[in-house]
Amino acid sequence: GAVVSQHPSRVICKSGTSVKIECRSLDFQATTMFWYRQFPKQSLMLMATSNEGSKATYEQGVEKDKFLINHASLTLSTLTVTSAHPEDSSFYICSARDLEAKNIQYFGAGTRLSVL
Amino acid sequence: AQSVAQPEDQVNVAEGNPLTVKCTYSVSGNPYLFWYVQYPNRGLQFLLKYITGDNLVKGSYGFEAEFNKSQTSFHLKKPSALVSDSALYFCAVRKLGTDKLIFGTGTRLQVFP
Repeated sequence: GAVVSQHPSRVICKSGTSVKIECRSLDFQATTMFWYRQFPKQSLMLMATSNEGSKATYEQGVEKDKFLINHASLTLSTLTVTSAHPEDSSFYICSARDLEAKNIQYFGAGTRLSVL
Repeated sequence: AQSVAQPEDQVNVAEGNPLTVKCTYSVSGNPYLFWYVQYPNRGLQFLLKYITGDNLVKGSYGFEAEFNKSQTSFHLKKPSALVSDSALYFCAVRKLGTDKLIFGTGTRLQVFP
């Protein structure tokens, strides 16, 4: 199957700093990528849909100024958690929709963010 | 509203025995259904999907799922469980008219040797 690379896998930062997470589709092009957040022992919550060359679409309740998304190319989307606070600590997972197998989302390995 | 339910938080199975992880859905129109598996501190891996066609769908690692329209179910099955199958399993449905996936709450599968 298609491969999605997510980096970093883990990040620890101080409160008030910003953190950028990258999501790359390695062997396919993805006009659409998705960002999820997963709390311990819970399901994935969709945060936003990232569209190449246009603004991201955020789910209700997700602050777009807090979670900045950029999808500048067909293989890269980034999520920046701005002015992170301890309550932002979570597991963030991206996925990309393969244009060839367009009904399937392929997921990155996730990023565990810990804000001190 | 579209939704997915996984009624079991955890399923315990002895190695070599058949396993079933349950999923029911609520959608309008024809559902696009998926199963994903998540290992600790990892992203989700695609197992299989149902879009149309045969009700029995075969996927990765020997898993299969049966689409049952009358019961609105899409249970995941495997004839003989392995200890390495122990993981968190998510059922998902694609939200109608979008690319968004709606996930169930997940079922933890524990296979004992």
